Amino acid sequence: GQNIDQPTEMTATEGAIVQINCTYQTSGFNGLFWYQQHAGEAPTFLSYNVLDGLEEKGRFSSFLSRSKGYSYLLLKELQMKDSASYLCAVGVNTGFQKLVFGTGTRLLVSP
Amino acid sequence: DVKVTQSSRYLVKRTGEKVFLECVQDMDHENMFWYRQDPGLGLRLIYFSYDVKMKEKGDIPEGYSVSREKKERFSLILESASTNQTSMYLCASNSGGGGNEQFFGPGTRLTVL
Repeated sequence: GQNIDQPTEMTATEGAIVQINCTYQTSGFNGLFWYQQHAGEAPTFLSYNVLDGLEEKGRFSSFLSRSKGYSYLLLKELQMKDSASYLCAVGVNTGFQKLVFGTGTRLLVSP
Repeated sequence: DVKVTQSSRYLVKRTGEKVFLECVQDMDHENMFWYRQDPGLGLRLIYFSYDVKMKEKGDIPEGYSVSREKKERFSLILESASTNQTSMYLCASNSGGGGNEQFFGPGTRLTVL
């Protein structure tokens, strides 16, 4: 089966750095995605990792270790608008390509 | 600007009604998906389509069916709505290939009374 774990909720202060972890156990692994979802809105793509290592994109970075089944999303210089849910999703190949989502981490950024 | 649209943002139906949720994408994507999103459960895949008239069951297809008659349009059908199908329904699309991001529509919040 597929299992993805991430913390339910995190809080941080404006200007700080926060790391959101995601661990997974899946078969047919084909990359890991991070999505951002503001309340009442659609998820939007943040990052994709298929090889081990760090991918940096502006204030956001994402890391993957396939051997450990582990990823994190790093958000720097937090802004109030970063308050949202962050969804970890593993790409799996089960005959077709699909995403298996974690339950999401709700991040609250305070002034 | 790429776009996935869904026919309704909010929908209220009664138990036993047949419900149609429509999704349209303008990116010429081969793949389209229907998910439902519930608190504490995350997004769960209901059905997937990789081409016109082609469909695959996702993780929770029971109680649902789908239709894809045109490449840009993917419909989710609740044959006989039940209260446990009250949820947020999200449509998504992407082009072929495992590493391609999915683009999501704004969602339809369905309440079944």
